[in-house]
Amino acid sequence: GAVVSQHPSWVICKSGTSVKIECRSLDFQATTMFWYRQFPKQSLMLMATSNEGSKATYEQGVEKDKFLINHASLTLSTLTVTSAHPEDSSFYICSARDMAGAFFGQGTRLTVV
Amino acid sequence: KQEVTQIPAALSVPEGENLVLNCSFTDSAIYNLQWFRQDPGKGLTSLLLIQSSQREQTSGRLNASLDKSSGRSTLYIAASQPGDSATYLCAVTDSWGKLQFGAGTQVVVTP
Repeated sequence: GAVVSQHPSWVICKSGTSVKIECRSLDFQATTMFWYRQFPKQSLMLMATSNEGSKATYEQGVEKDKFLINHASLTLSTLTVTSAHPEDSSFYICSARDMAGAFFGQGTRLTVV
Repeated sequence: KQEVTQIPAALSVPEGENLVLNCSFTDSAIYNLQWFRQDPGKGLTSLLLIQSSQREQTSGRLNASLDKSSGRSTLYIAASQPGDSATYLCAVTDSWGKLQFGAGTQVVVTP
């Protein structure tokens, strides 16, 4: 099946700094990618839809100025958590679709200290 | 607004027993339904994808059924093994490609 690669798999950062997470579709082109967040013992919640060459669409309650999404090519979308705070600590995961369904990256465990 | 519910939230069975995991959704206008497996701290692994026009899908010991009209899907895992211990998530896809996830069922298979 299709492969989606996400990097880094875990990151620890200081409060107030920014963190960039990359999501790549390795063997297919993805005009649309999705970013999810998962808090402990909760399900994945869609944060935003990333569209190649245009602005991302954010779900209600997600701050677009805090979670910057860039989808500069058909194989790469990035999520930047700006001015991170401890409450941003979570598991972030990206997804891209092809005809066979949705495929997910490995996820990024973000810890803000 | 689509809501996806998974019952039970947790399940513990002895090795060899069959597992039955339930997923229900409120809006039957779905594009497809997928079952995923998630190991602690890891990403998602897609197990089965059922298109909205299909009734079931099978892969090895896994079988998933879909009754779109009643908003239900069931994942059956035959002859469970300790390696099947994980959280199982179902998700429905709308026509835009967005997934709506259930909260998951945490499965423990004891040797």
